[in-house]
Amino acid sequence: SQKIEQNSEALNIQEGKTATLTCNYTNYSPAYLQWYRQDPGRGPVFLLLIRENEKEKRKERLKVTFDTTLKQSLFHITASQPADSATYLCALGRGGDDKIIFGKGTRLHILP
Amino acid sequence: EAGVAQSPRYKIIEKRQSVAFWCNPISGHATLYWYQQILGQGPKLLIQFQNNGVVDDSQLPKDRFSAERLKGVDSTLKIQPAKLEDSAVYLCASSSRTSGREEQFFGPGTRLTVL
Repeated sequence: SQKIEQNSEALNIQEGKTATLTCNYTNYSPAYLQWYRQDPGRGPVFLLLIRENEKEKRKERLKVTFDTTLKQSLFHITASQPADSATYLCALGRGGDDKIIFGKGTRLHILP
Repeated sequence: EAGVAQSPRYKIIEKRQSVAFWCNPISGHATLYWYQQILGQGPKLLIQFQNNGVVDDSQLPKDRFSAERLKGVDSTLKIQPAKLEDSAVYLCASSSRTSGREEQFFGPGTRLTVL
């Protein structure tokens, strides 16, 4: 069956360092991968989308990589700030039907 | 642009009672989703609508859950009767394929507690 794993339930990173979150998947051939941010008591908010034919995508302090051979995406936040503390969800989509499947998420804590 | 609206924000009911949630998607978004998010988990798709037609309801427990999207705009999700394991946050999201973007826009969710 399809499986999406995000590397850890929680990650503590010192302010100013780069936070790296991992998303691995099995038994799935995504056309694209998305990353969302979710704060407590709120719905997820879209951050970035990367397609299967793209290796890397950047947006301000965010960088996403996508390796379809390793079946893995890495999500980086550079120069991390306490305001980046949240749960980050990866989601895979095949395209065509707009349906995506979410991982469990990683809770990121940026320590001042 | 107004976001996805959901109500109520919180609901507490006894098991075997019924409950309904309402969602108003972003204007013009043809696709509407209902997700269930249990604490510590990612959102799980319950049902997806394209306009007022159902695209995918394979994970909807149809013996107790129902959803409709009349006129292809607002949607309601109903649980009848509720079980303890239905305690979760119910998220509504919408998207617009015509925009060429696959991102989904989520509402704040309804937190359901079943006692």
